[in-house]
Amino acid sequence: GAGVSQTPSNKVTEKGKYVELRCDPISGHTALYWYRQSLGQGPEFLIYFQGTGAADDSGLPNDRFFAVRPEGSVSTLKIQRTERGDSAVYLCASSSRDRGTLHFGNGTRLTVT
Amino acid sequence: QKEVEQDPGPLSVPEGAIVSLNCTYSNSAFQYFMWYRQYSRKGPELLMYTYSSGNKEDGRFTAQVDKSSKYISLFIRDSQPSDSATYLCAMSASGGSNYKLTFGKGTLLTVNP
Repeated sequence: GAGVSQTPSNKVTEKGKYVELRCDPISGHTALYWYRQSLGQGPEFLIYFQGTGAADDSGLPNDRFFAVRPEGSVSTLKIQRTERGDSAVYLCASSSRDRGTLHFGNGTRLTVT
Repeated sequence: QKEVEQDPGPLSVPEGAIVSLNCTYSNSAFQYFMWYRQYSRKGPELLMYTYSSGNKEDGRFTAQVDKSSKYISLFIRDSQPSDSATYLCAMSASGGSNYKLTFGKGTLLTVNP
């Protein structure tokens, strides 16, 4: 079956612009996660959804970052007033139940110029 | 000091070699230990999953956890060129937050034919 799908695969934007990154989890997976991977680093936790609600958003770096999952399936990570330091690969993962094995997508590579 | 330390390498070995990858950690609450493999421009994929201390074997891969030393290892026997990738250790605490993975930086492995 299809894995976790993330679009776009690459996004180049100018400093100060707004971006949206989309994640389509594996069908039927109730838990969804966003991680950020900077160059040469491991992924860092951003936010965790169980169903439609954000169960833990403690990893979001500041209030420029926001994520939604309105129908409990597709999720969108939104970044306002982008900064060069936001450049990274944004990874989405889903699991079939709370605390199950995480299945990662291939990420969106965001470059802020 | 970071919660999880992993030597980033890079590590280059000939085909057929035994590879040893390691991580140390400082958070004694970690109970779940994982190894992920990440190919270039792809998302991490789960290789091994271990709960608490002990060994786990799966084909050419063996994962070891020593909680008393806060040290985990991944051994790859008879390494193949297809094993060339970045290997990430990851861990999480028990209880309500065990969905939140803390990753090492990753070790870049190249297996030369």
